[in-house]
Amino acid sequence: GQNIDQPTEMTATEGAIVQINCTYQTSGFNGLFWYQQHAGEAPTFLSYNVLDGLEEKGRFSSFLSRSKGYSYLLLKELQMKDSASYLCAVSFTGGGNKLTFGTGTQLKVEL
Amino acid sequence: DGGITQSPKYLFRKEGQNVTLSCEQNLNHDAMYWYRQDPGQGLRLIYYSQIVNDFQKGDIAEGYSVSREKKESFPLTVTSAQKNPTAFYLCASSATSGRIIPFFGPGTRLTVL
Repeated sequence: GQNIDQPTEMTATEGAIVQINCTYQTSGFNGLFWYQQHAGEAPTFLSYNVLDGLEEKGRFSSFLSRSKGYSYLLLKELQMKDSASYLCAVSFTGGGNKLTFGTGTQLKVEL
Repeated sequence: DGGITQSPKYLFRKEGQNVTLSCEQNLNHDAMYWYRQDPGQGLRLIYYSQIVNDFQKGDIAEGYSVSREKKESFPLTVTSAQKNPTAFYLCASSATSGRIIPFFGPGTRLTVL
């Protein structure tokens, strides 16, 4: 299978910066996605990386290195509402646009 | 208002009964997907469809069936052959060209008693 690895849990302080890492198998890579999922709700789209580098969108940024099979999601100026699960997902060529998901990183933001 | 709808939000069924989960989208997306989510596990793909009247099995298709008779609709039937059907079921849709980003519906939480 195509494993997507990310930490299970992270804790950070309100107002701080947190980086959530994701690694994947590079063979057949097509694109990398980050979703946010609050408890009991559906995932919501955050970012999409196809090329190497950093994509910035407000307080959230996502980085991709295709040669290393590595991505991270950077959250700045953390707020309590950022407490959620962050899902890393990859599409692979020949996969019909379907995504393979990691197990998600549960982020807890504390005062 | 464009989006993806799933109904119902919560569903209870007795063991041995088939149940059909609804998924409708008005985003004009060609592709639709069904995922299942269990606690502590990532989303796992059940079935997907790239075009009307065509669909493919995902990683965990056993015990499930789908149809794609209309572009807007992709219902999922959970049959009695599915060994452990209690889960959170998520439907998604996407374009098939350009920026292909799957967007998710609100989900249906199925509990089999």
